[in-house]
Amino acid sequence: QKEVEQDPGPLSVPEGAIVSLNCTYSNSAFQYFMWYRQYSRKGPELLMYTYSSGNKEDGRFTAQVDKSSKYISLFIRDSQPSDSATYLCATTGGFKTIFGAGTRLFVKA
Amino acid sequence: EAQVTQNPRYLITVTGKKLTVTCSQNMNHEYMSWYRQDPGLGLRQIYYSMNVEVTDKGDVPEGYKVSRKEKRNFPLILESPSPNQTSLYFCASSSRGGQGTQYFGPGTRLLVL
Repeated sequence: QKEVEQDPGPLSVPEGAIVSLNCTYSNSAFQYFMWYRQYSRKGPELLMYTYSSGNKEDGRFTAQVDKSSKYISLFIRDSQPSDSATYLCATTGGFKTIFGAGTRLFVKA
Repeated sequence: EAQVTQNPRYLITVTGKKLTVTCSQNMNHEYMSWYRQDPGLGLRQIYYSMNVEVTDKGDVPEGYKVSRKEKRNFPLILESPSPNQTSLYFCASSSRGGQGTQYFGPGTRLLVL
């Protein structure tokens, strides 16, 4: 079993839709949870960062962590074509970082 | 401009020919890391370094070496590349280890024939 599981998609939605991206993880010791966005032919860049359980909101993006079920979510409201990218969840307990496989998202105009 | 640079960006080589991929950051970060990205497998950590002369294995270290002699540089060495090391490689740096924001380089696409 992978330490972080993520559906690779692809996920295709119309512009303006609410997008839900999800990951599960196996190690209850993980405390830090991140979402990175990666555009084609670019390196990943940090989108959202959460410590422990709870929600964090930044504009159209909301990150949610449920440690009881080991579930990580990213919600994108009013999705835009510019949101088309691969979204990678990640977690760490210290120096090692474990990434999910990434979900490819396409937002159609 | 704060950035992580990698060279070369593209490389085609043959099995067994030693190669080095360089990585440099100008943010004075203590933590640096190497990842490989393969379809369906996502990013997998190869090696990381917490500071100068301090390195440790990630999840897929076999066939790779690293060194950290200076804070800004973290080269990745493939002493005898094999076709299964064909991949997209990313270097990253952070001021707070894996807990902090990792800044990624633009990637190096390697093909081993």
